[in-house]
Amino acid sequence: SYVLTQPPSVSVAPGQTARITCGVNNIGSKSVHWYQQKPGQAPVVVVYDDSDRPSGIPERFSGFNSGNTATLTISRAEAGDEADYYCQVWKTNSDHPGVFGGGTKLTVL
Amino acid sequence: QVQLVESGGGLVKPGGSLRLSCAASGFTLSDSYMSWIRQAPGKGLEWVSYISSSGTTIYHGDSVKGRFTISRDNAKNSLYLQMNSLRAEDTALYYCARARDPYGSGSYHFDYWGQGTLVTVSS
Repeated sequence: SYVLTQPPSVSVAPGQTARITCGVNNIGSKSVHWYQQKPGQAPVVVVYDDSDRPSGIPERFSGFNSGNTATLTISRAEAGDEADYYCQVWKTNSDHPGVFGGGTKLTVL
Repeated sequence: QVQLVESGGGLVKPGGSLRLSCAASGFTLSDSYMSWIRQAPGKGLEWVSYISSSGTTIYHGDSVKGRFTISRDNAKNSLYLQMNSLRAEDTALYYCARARDPYGSGSYHFDYWGQGTLVTVSS
């Protein structure tokens, strides 16, 4: 089966840089999308197609994907960035194409 | 503005059925690909089903294949999920979401989400 592996938790000090990884063999050959979910709210896409940002998402959020690991980087972390983050890929040529990572809880200390 | 509003959730006994609906507004549903995604209490996101804009292409996740059916009525701006043979492990908040592939690469992400409807399967 196709399992996207994320660390359960990441901690960062305010103003510092947080990096959240998403791994599977040869993930660099696929497009990776990232979502932020705050408690009681629906997820919001923060990065799509590896590194594109939707309008309204701060430039502090960036993505990179190569080899076996995709990374979401949050620069100058703020208290408001504290949330769960999920990676997602779409497996073309599959009859069950949608896959999410297990999620990472980001704590801004 | 884009809005997706789910309904139809509730408490159902194991083996029972429910039909979820998702009302779309603020965009042209007939041009859009759609999905259902669920989240069990305290757990992560799980993709459930996908339907193309015309309804001719449908995919379901392994955990629901043969029990759940996604459908749409573009004239009513609505998306549906028929859930049969429900199990305790189907208990979750069910979101409908618009699937988008901006570069035509075949890779979809979900750019708009509803607030979800809660399905509880318990005796």
